[in-house]
Amino acid sequence: AQKVTQAQTEISVVEKEDVTLDCVYETRDTTYYLFWYKQPPSGELVFLIRRNSFDEQNEISGRYSWNFQKSTSSFNFTITASQVVDSAVYFCALRGGTASKLTFGTGTRLQVTL
Amino acid sequence: DGGITQSPKYLFRKEGQNVTLSCEQNLNHDAMYWYRQDPGQGLRLIYYSQIVNDFQKGDIAEGYSVSREKKESFPLTVTSAQKNPTAFYLCASRNLGQGAGELFFGEGSRLTVL
Repeated sequence: AQKVTQAQTEISVVEKEDVTLDCVYETRDTTYYLFWYKQPPSGELVFLIRRNSFDEQNEISGRYSWNFQKSTSSFNFTITASQVVDSAVYFCALRGGTASKLTFGTGTRLQVTL
Repeated sequence: DGGITQSPKYLFRKEGQNVTLSCEQNLNHDAMYWYRQDPGQGLRLIYYSQIVNDFQKGDIAEGYSVSREKKESFPLTVTSAQKNPTAFYLCASRNLGQGAGELFFGEGSRLTVL
C-alpha cells in the first residue's frame, strides 16, 4: 500500500518569508516517482516537479527547491522569498514504478499575506 | 492549444438524478483518470483507463460509472447510488510511454446536489 502524509494542513506567512512544505511517503516499491502539484483558487492542479526514486539530487527552480531524502522517506518543498501569488493548496503525490495510480496527500494550504 | 477540457464547470443536481461529467483531451495521452476532491481532503481516485474500451476501479468507485469509447474522451456518470455526490471532480491524463509521466489536469467540475 502507498501513503502520502502532509502533516501541515495550513501555513500562513508574510511575503518574503521562506516556507517549507513537508511530505512524507510510504511505499514498498523500489522504483517510484514523487510529484508536487499546486492548486490555485481556480481549481486546476498545476504540475511543479517530479522526482525518481533513484535520483536523490535536490533541485532548484527559481524560488522553488525540493529536498528528497530516501533515508527519511521525505520530499519537502521550499519556497524562498514567498509572494502573494504563491498562495494555493500544494499537494504531494506518489506513484509506484509499475502502477498507473497516483496517490495524493491531503494537501497544505499556503496563505501568503502582505 | 493542447489540454484537457472538462464540462460543465458547475452543475446542480436534484437527489435521485444521474449526471454525466464530460472530459476531453487532445494531448494524445493513453491514460485518463477521474479524481474526487472534498474540502480538507486529498484527491481520491474514482476510475482510470489505460486503453480504449477498458477501465479500472479506483479507491471510491461505488456510485460512479465511466466509459472509454474514444481515446480522447472519458466521461464520468455520477449515479443516484452515490450517497454523497457533492464534490469537486477532476479529470486527468498522462502518456504511458513515459515512465515517470506526470498527470495533466482539467479545470474541474463542481457538482452540488440540492
